[in-house]
Amino acid sequence: AQKVTQAQTEISVVEKEDVTLDCVYETRDTTYYLFWYKQPPSGELVFLIRRNSFDEQNEISGRYSWNFQKSTSSFNFTITASQVVDSAVYFCALSEGQGAQKLVFGQGTRLTINP
Amino acid sequence: GAVVSQHPSWVICKSGTSVKIECRSLDFQATTMFWYRQFPKQSLMLMATSNEGSKATYEQGVEKDKFLINHASLTLSTLTVTSAHPEDSSFYICSWAGLAKNIQYFGAGTRLSVL
Repeated sequence: AQKVTQAQTEISVVEKEDVTLDCVYETRDTTYYLFWYKQPPSGELVFLIRRNSFDEQNEISGRYSWNFQKSTSSFNFTITASQVVDSAVYFCALSEGQGAQKLVFGQGTRLTINP
Repeated sequence: GAVVSQHPSWVICKSGTSVKIECRSLDFQATTMFWYRQFPKQSLMLMATSNEGSKATYEQGVEKDKFLINHASLTLSTLTVTSAHPEDSSFYICSWAGLAKNIQYFGAGTRLSVL
């Protein structure tokens, strides 16, 4: 069965600090996709990244970077030089197989960036 | 701009009444969509998967007679919470599987409060 674990329930840092959000997943499929979503107080889910199981290349997008390691079943998310606007709940999610598949979400990490 | 429109964003109703939530894809047509539920400070849990032209598939523990899904077309789906009770108070979010089917586009969510 698929499962996503975000062990960090809440993180609080001071602005400009770097912060890493951890995500560990479980799946028996060889084909799967990993996602990160941001959920600000408004509630809407904002898509950040999708990574398939065959592509372990790390990705950087501005202040955001993602480290995908199949050996440890982890897909961690780092925010560099954090800003107050980064405050939100962040969800890691997993879908198995090809096509339109359901997402299984982790419990989420509430990130607070203090000025 | 938003690719998925969900209405209403917020609804308060009396116990025993029914509430309909609409979810429209604005920029694309898709055969598959999903309904998720999120209780306060918890993660998103899939309620049901819906394919246009066929009956929805409900997750274990979700009452299909209580949460009626009508996948009317390739761009419109509705979720009706029938005879709502306070325990149904939650945040309901729809998502459509995009052309790259492993990406889901989420609506802004509907916050339901049952008094």
